[in-house]
Parts: sequence; C-alpha cells; structure tokens
Amino acid sequence: QSVLTQPPSASGTPGQRVTISCSGSSSNIGSNTVTWYQHLPGTAPKLLIQSDTYRPSGVPDRFSGSKSGTSASLAISGVQPEDEADYYCAAWDDSPFGVVFGGGTRLTVL
Amino acid sequence: VQLVESGGALVKPGGSLRLSCAASGFTFSDYYMNWIRQAPGKGLEWIAYISKSGNTIYYSDSVKGRFTVSRDNSQNVLFLQMNSLRADDTAVFYCARVYGYKEIDFWGQGTLVTVSS
Repeated sequence: QSVLTQPPSASGTPGQRVTISCSGSSSNIGSNTVTWYQHLPGTAPKLLIQSDTYRPSGVPDRFSGSKSGTSASLAISGVQPEDEADYYCAAWDDSPFGVVFGGGTRLTVL
Repeated sequence: VQLVESGGALVKPGGSLRLSCAASGFTFSDYYMNWIRQAPGKGLEWIAYISKSGNTIYYSDSVKGRFTVSRDNSQNVLFLQMNSLRADDTAVFYCARVYGYKEIDFWGQGTLVTVSS
C-alpha cells in the first residue's frame, strides 16, 4: 500500500485534458512540496513538476501541477500519444522521515 | 548530469550485494542522494536517503537493519550495501539526486537485482 493515493489508470484521446490526482496527509503533502514524475518502462523516471507547480526547463507546457491542502493534481492539457506512460507523485514525509510515492497512474492515450 | 548504477546481479536468498552509483556532470558533494527501487509490476519505493556529508541517513522500514547507504565524495560514488537479501528485494534499483534536501530531481537508469535460489 502506497502512502500517497493515485488512481491506477487514466485515459484520454489526443488533444483532451487529463488530470491525475494524488492524495496524502498532513505529514507529507500537507507540509511539504509535491513532485511528479513520468516513467517509461526500462528508462529513468523523468521529473515533470517540482515544488508543487514548477515545471523544469524542457518539460512541455501542457504539463501543470497544483496543490490544495493534502491533495495534489497533475494536468495534461492536450494529451499526446507520446505521453502514454506511468505517472508518479511524491513528497517528503515528516513522520517517519523519508520520501513517499503514490502507487502510480498508467496513462493510456486512446 | 549523469547517474550510472552498477552491481546488480542474481543472488541467492540470504546473500549480499553492493550497488554503486557513479555521478558526473555536477558537484556530487553538494547534493543529498536517495536509493529507490521498483519491484516487477509494482510502483516506486523509496528505501534510503543520505545527506551531503553522509552524517544524516534515513531508511525505509522494509530495509532498515539489512541495507546500508554510504557515499565517497572524493570519488563521486554512492553505495548501497545489501545484506540478508530476500525474494521480495527483487527490483530495479535507482539512485536519485535530491534538489534542496527533499525533492528528487534526477534519476539514474537503474540496475536489476534478482534474489532467487
């Protein structure tokens, strides 16, 4: 059981807006920032969003992050076929100390 | 920036293995580091965290007492010593760099550890 809760799957057709939720608690998302990663099998996970909403250089602007209280969301506005991958949220947890991940959401582009 | 893990292998239950992660393209000693793993068909699981100097270390409950993380800042290498390995330790192990002291911003490609008789 993952500490952060994500839906196991999401889907959309090209051009659609897709959102993936991530729910935690006061000791992780409620008091620390959230990061989002894109993971393709056999490759290194890639940072998409850090500090809740910041998109690093090189990440397409169709990816955006938001947070409210103990929940966060990743939105993909105008999903593309190449976005088909697994997506993970993560945050530092203050009790006990360490990084916690969501269980991952597999995005299918129909 | 590059992180290259090595040392993954097939090992018998109860055995030991030492993973390495060679860092390049950045000042290794300026960054906290993590080890994360992914078991087959499962999600990402954080297992260890080490501060820049190595003075502060945290482990997940699943590996505490069996795994030891360390680093050699003079050689730009992160290590994970794994003892008393079990079948459920079978996973791809990733090293990952920390931005600030809490957020992971860069990952290696991973190395596969298989624990089986």
